Amino acid sequence: SAVISQKPSRDICQRGTSLTIQCQVDSQVTMMFWYRQQPGQSLTLIATANQGSEATYESGFVIDKFPISRPNLTFSTLTVSNMSPEDSSIYLCSVLSAYEQYFGPGTRLTVT
Amino acid sequence: QQPVQSPQAVILREGEDAVINCSSSKALYSVHWYRQKHGEAPVFLMILLKGGEQKGHEKISASFNEKKQQSSLYLTASQLSYSGTYFCGTEIDNFNKFYFGSGTKLNVKP
Repeated sequence: SAVISQKPSRDICQRGTSLTIQCQVDSQVTMMFWYRQQPGQSLTLIATANQGSEATYESGFVIDKFPISRPNLTFSTLTVSNMSPEDSSIYLCSVLSAYEQYFGPGTRLTVT
Repeated sequence: QQPVQSPQAVILREGEDAVINCSSSKALYSVHWYRQKHGEAPVFLMILLKGGEQKGHEKISASFNEKKQQSSLYLTASQLSYSGTYFCGTEIDNFNKFYFGSGTKLNVKP
């Protein structure tokens, strides 16, 4: 199993600013993922982050807007850049351990 | 690449059964099932792999029809704790990337 923590748990940010979300795992994992979830909606994969390589982004998400770092096997960050109200959402990181995917508690972002 | 999930919502009485379906237009390597309670992160329930292998924690059963690229989650003798939103997550060709269905909101009443 894997226990994941995220910081911050929530934040209210102004349009045009950036926020970096941290994801910490209690064990070493190869694959980490970043998702976005609107309240009451499904999860949308933003990118896959493997340690030692560039993140792989899904269609509709670009590195300039959502830069990701993966400096080691237990930590990753996602930055939401130049925010607009459309970026308001819950951002979750997850890891794959054996066959199971474990999710962090999420970061609730509100952009005003 | 998002799978289609049905029904959108189900209301049950304790002890009743329900089936949640998930279908994909792509050939799947695996299907995951998750339950998410309000304000919490999704929790892994089960994985069904191409070839028939299944792994899961809870007393919940599921099936995976590889020919039709469909999976069904069977909730039998439902309990109040089963309430939440259920998502299927599909994986194509062991790429370790998961695309989630729209979710099924299950409400179990006493």
